[in-house]
Amino acid sequence: AQSVTQLGSHVSVSEGALVLLRCNYSSSVPPYLFWYVQYPNQGLQLLLKYTTGATLVKGINGFEAEFKKSETSFHLTKPSAHMSDAAEYFCAVRTNFGNEKLTFGTGTRLTIIP
Amino acid sequence: DTGVSQDPRHKITKRGQNVTFRCDPISEHNRLYWYRQTLGQGPEFLTYFQNEAQLEKSRLLSDRFSAERPKGSFSTLEIQRTEQGDSAMYLCASSLIVGGGKHTNEQFFGPGTRLTVL
Repeated sequence: AQSVTQLGSHVSVSEGALVLLRCNYSSSVPPYLFWYVQYPNQGLQLLLKYTTGATLVKGINGFEAEFKKSETSFHLTKPSAHMSDAAEYFCAVRTNFGNEKLTFGTGTRLTIIP
Repeated sequence: DTGVSQDPRHKITKRGQNVTFRCDPISEHNRLYWYRQTLGQGPEFLTYFQNEAQLEKSRLLSDRFSAERPKGSFSTLEIQRTEQGDSAMYLCASSLIVGGGKHTNEQFFGPGTRLTVL
């Protein structure tokens, strides 16, 4: 079975500092990996995804993530945090090539310190 | 607005009552998913449809839960005899499968329905 582990349920960074949110996955087949962001009382918005090809993927709002097969990781980064980045971030793996359902991690709440 | 919509956004009910939620996917999307998100957790898969056919149900979906997508467009999720443990955010997502099984790989999520069972 596939699973996702997000290290750190809460991360705080200063405005302008590097954002690093960690995600490790377990999958018996080549994974498709996703990062979603959730603002309070809202649904999930896709930040970026890795399917095949280039292992460094760029997403919206200046975020990027690198797929490292040897480390089974897909960490999310942003060079300079902005106040508007404060939200909950979820890493997800696609579990089955038939139904495409997603398995999510437990999330990381990002707080930006002014 | 061409996004996924859900109704209602919030529902408060008493234990034992039945509730029904509606999801309207992006119009051309043929796949529709339901997820449940409890406090402090990520969303968990409940069930999904391709057009009007319900193709898989999670073990989380007890016999008190039923989902339909009668015309392959909107979907409803009904919970009968609600319990306090049903309190959660119920998220709907849709995606598009095109010919040959190619998938856009992106699920578009609605804003969710937050259920509180007293």
